Amino acid sequence: DTEVTQTPKHLVMGMTNKKSLKCEQHMGHRAMYWYKQKAKKPPELMFVYSYEKLSINESVPSRFSPECPNSSLLNLHLHALQPEDSALYLCASTHPHVNTEAFFGQGTRLTVV
Amino acid sequence: DAKTTQPNSMESNEEEPVHLPCNHSTISGTDYIHWYRQLPSQGPEYVIHGLTSNVNNRMASLAIAEDRKSSTLILHRATLRDAAVYYCILRDPQNTGNQFYFGTGTSLTVIP
Repeated sequence: DTEVTQTPKHLVMGMTNKKSLKCEQHMGHRAMYWYKQKAKKPPELMFVYSYEKLSINESVPSRFSPECPNSSLLNLHLHALQPEDSALYLCASTHPHVNTEAFFGQGTRLTVV
Repeated sequence: DAKTTQPNSMESNEEEPVHLPCNHSTISGTDYIHWYRQLPSQGPEYVIHGLTSNVNNRMASLAIAEDRKSSTLILHRATLRDAAVYYCILRDPQNTGNQFYFGTGTSLTVIP
């Protein structure tokens, strides 16, 4: 199994809603990533978890709250988002400290209304 | 995060070779050169990576300059399915702070 599975594929939420994005992999990867991608722009790194601990937070607003409850699962909790937060949210995983590739999910297309 | 520079866009005729360049003049000795591509409406996909020697796999070849300050991704026969944005990324696996940071990438158009 070489897949990174993201759910849901599409999400529409109001600015007062609370929602969560989910990412799952079963490749034994202990590094997991969240990226945000706006249209026609490259993915921007948001958070990195290494061995289930947050190792990088790229100054992301607190309305985005990541969580890594176990080595296979990564969540991104969303609260009080703004319309400019509408984007494709990508999850990725790899082996930390090993020369190997990253595997990306297909993303969650988020629209904030 | 180490920096890479790529042309914004390139065109190729179908079934012809494509050479996608990447400059990384500030590369360190422990940075690996990775290439990913992103097809429309999909997540990025791994293509190839290397450290010093040229690398080949079923998708492409990676040619790395002797001084490692530049590299070239070679698609041997472009197909319409190769139309994508190609990203060159530097990553040092031993440096926790050195992760998969994407540059602007090259948008490849394949002409039938």
